[in-house]
Amino acid sequence: DIQMTQSPSSLSASVGDRVTITCRASQSISSYLNWYQQKPGKAPTLLIYGASTLHSGVPSRFSGSGSGTDFTLTISGLQPEDFATYYCQQSYSPPSFTFGPGTTVDIK
Amino acid sequence: QVQLVQSGAEVKRPGASVKVSCKVSGYILNELSMHWVRQAPGEGLEWMGGIHPQNGKSIYAQNLQGRITMTDDTSTDTAYMELSSLRSDDTAVYYCAIDLGNGSYEYWGQGTLVTVSS
Repeated sequence: DIQMTQSPSSLSASVGDRVTITCRASQSISSYLNWYQQKPGKAPTLLIYGASTLHSGVPSRFSGSGSGTDFTLTISGLQPEDFATYYCQQSYSPPSFTFGPGTTVDIK
Repeated sequence: QVQLVQSGAEVKRPGASVKVSCKVSGYILNELSMHWVRQAPGEGLEWMGGIHPQNGKSIYAQNLQGRITMTDDTSTDTAYMELSSLRSDDTAVYYCAIDLGNGSYEYWGQGTLVTVSS
């Protein structure tokens, strides 16, 4: 099974900051990497699929990069509504789409 | 407009089974890959199982093998996830989510809280 890790597990940031979250796969997954945002009490929402493709309606301050085993989610200019938990997910071996442990972004 | 509407919260005794439903509207169940994800209180997302997009077979997480069954009723576009031999650590919010072909979950159900307690 493909294992996913994320770093950091949590971070504190201010509105306007640039935030970077890293995700690593235990083996190469090409670009089969998705990012989700989850707010308390809500279902996750898709941000990015295919490592770098922005899902419809997602603000352009979100971007994704990487391939193989190392991936990055960047939020350029953090907004109040972006304080949430972010999960990466591999979709290399369908339908087994395992998630990373999550990164919580909270207010500094 | 695609919508996934799940059944309501459940409270079960240890050792019992639970069956959660997920009704799909705005899409035909046969044309998508249904998945189930759960989230224990204060924890992260755990993939439980999904339908293989090519052969339609159900694939389950290794740690749930033997206890989980995914089924569906195409006449009502409703998917089901049944988990048996429930334990306290099965207490979680259970989500259905669909892959429309690009290997990601564009649509999610609202979640169903299953509480396992004696």
